[in-house]
Amino acid sequence: GENVEQHPSTLSVQEGDSAVIKCTYSDSASNYFPWYKQELGKRPQLIIDIRSNVGEKKDQRIAVTLNKTAKHFSLHITETQPEDSAVYFCAARNSGGSNYKLTFGKGTLLTVNP
Amino acid sequence: DAGVIQSPRHEVTEMGQEVTLRCKPISGHNSLFWYRQTMMRGLELLIYFNNNVPIDDSGMPEDRFSAKMPNASFSTLKIQPSEPRDSAVYFCASSLQAGETQYFGPGTRLLVL
Repeated sequence: GENVEQHPSTLSVQEGDSAVIKCTYSDSASNYFPWYKQELGKRPQLIIDIRSNVGEKKDQRIAVTLNKTAKHFSLHITETQPEDSAVYFCAARNSGGSNYKLTFGKGTLLTVNP
Repeated sequence: DAGVIQSPRHEVTEMGQEVTLRCKPISGHNSLFWYRQTMMRGLELLIYFNNNVPIDDSGMPEDRFSAKMPNASFSTLKIQPSEPRDSAVYFCASSLQAGETQYFGPGTRLLVL
């Protein structure tokens, strides 16, 4: 089955700096890669996703890049703000018979210091 | 849209008791997922329903866990008997179809003493 590794497990940055979180996946058939943000005590919420037919996607201060050859993808947050503090999860899903199944990384606790 | 609704939000029970968690998916969504979240194991898929039919229950930890979806707007996850190691946050999620974006409910925080 799919295995997703996520690094780092914790990340602390100063407000205004950039933050980068990286994930690798094992199943070359995976073709959909969402990122979820989970604030303390809250539900995971989708913030951005990318499909394997594109290499990069941006949404304001958030961007995701995908390298299919290397089987890794990254989340980039620019001009970080204290409200960006949360746990971020990457996930991977393939298009085959288990196209419903998201395999999640273990999460990255991002702290943005004012 | 009310989003995915779960109840109760918090549950404290004693070992050996039966626990029932409830979920109402977003109206019109035909896919429903139950997840368990712990610090050690992260987010794990327990069971997946499509059109009210269980498709993948390979993540259900053992026979103490069972899930049902009697209709398109309601699902339950039952633990009987509960054990302290079942303590976790249990999320229900739904998607319009398999392969579409999954929307999570607020979760049920379960503590088994």
